[in-house]
Amino acid sequence: NAGVTQTPKFQVLKTGQSMTLQCAQDMNHEYMSWYRQDPGMGLRLIHYSVGAGITDQGEVPNGYNVSRSTTEDFPLRLLSAAPSQTSVYFCASRVKRGGFTGELFFGEGSRLTVL
Amino acid sequence: AQKVTQAQTEISVVEKEDVTLDCVYETRDTTYYLFWYKQPPSGELVFLIRRNSFDEQNEISGRYSWNFQKSTSSFNFTITASQVVDSAVYFCALSGDPYSGAGSYQLTFGKGTKLSVIP
Repeated sequence: NAGVTQTPKFQVLKTGQSMTLQCAQDMNHEYMSWYRQDPGMGLRLIHYSVGAGITDQGEVPNGYNVSRSTTEDFPLRLLSAAPSQTSVYFCASRVKRGGFTGELFFGEGSRLTVL
Repeated sequence: AQKVTQAQTEISVVEKEDVTLDCVYETRDTTYYLFWYKQPPSGELVFLIRRNSFDEQNEISGRYSWNFQKSTSSFNFTITASQVVDSAVYFCALSGDPYSGAGSYQLTFGKGTKLSVIP
């Protein structure tokens, strides 16, 4: 019953450092995405992928890179961390199959602080 | 572009009161899906309900009920006889027509309503 697994759960970075948030799902979902959650802003989409080798930008993509080499994994890379990237990050996946639209399954979140 | 508005930022009620959380959405798609998620203080996001645009029947699940009205583009959520365990942030979300392209699989979220149930 793993579902969507994110690591690490907590991370503190210094400005300018880089890091990768890992996300893996074991439900064979084609669609995966990264959101960030900030107080009063709800959940905003950073990047998403509709299958291996296919990624696209969401609402707030600047400063983040993604890749999707397998169905299971969708890592999020911060290239040069900035204090504005202090946030809680959620990875989520869902079924993508014809006209069926299922709900998003979320990971537990990763709390990132950039000093 | 899709948009979800949750005008109520924070609501406080006394335990056992009924409370309704409002959600208004905008979309150009004729086929779309609406969702509600709960985020308790522990931080995880819990799926509550999915409703497609062709199904306007109201739904009840225990103390929870949802009222979907296409005429007013609203998908409101009512908790009857609220309990302290209902204290959470509630998010309404919208997803577009799955046949209209990859972008339609995105969920657009409202900013959330923080519900506090006071014992």
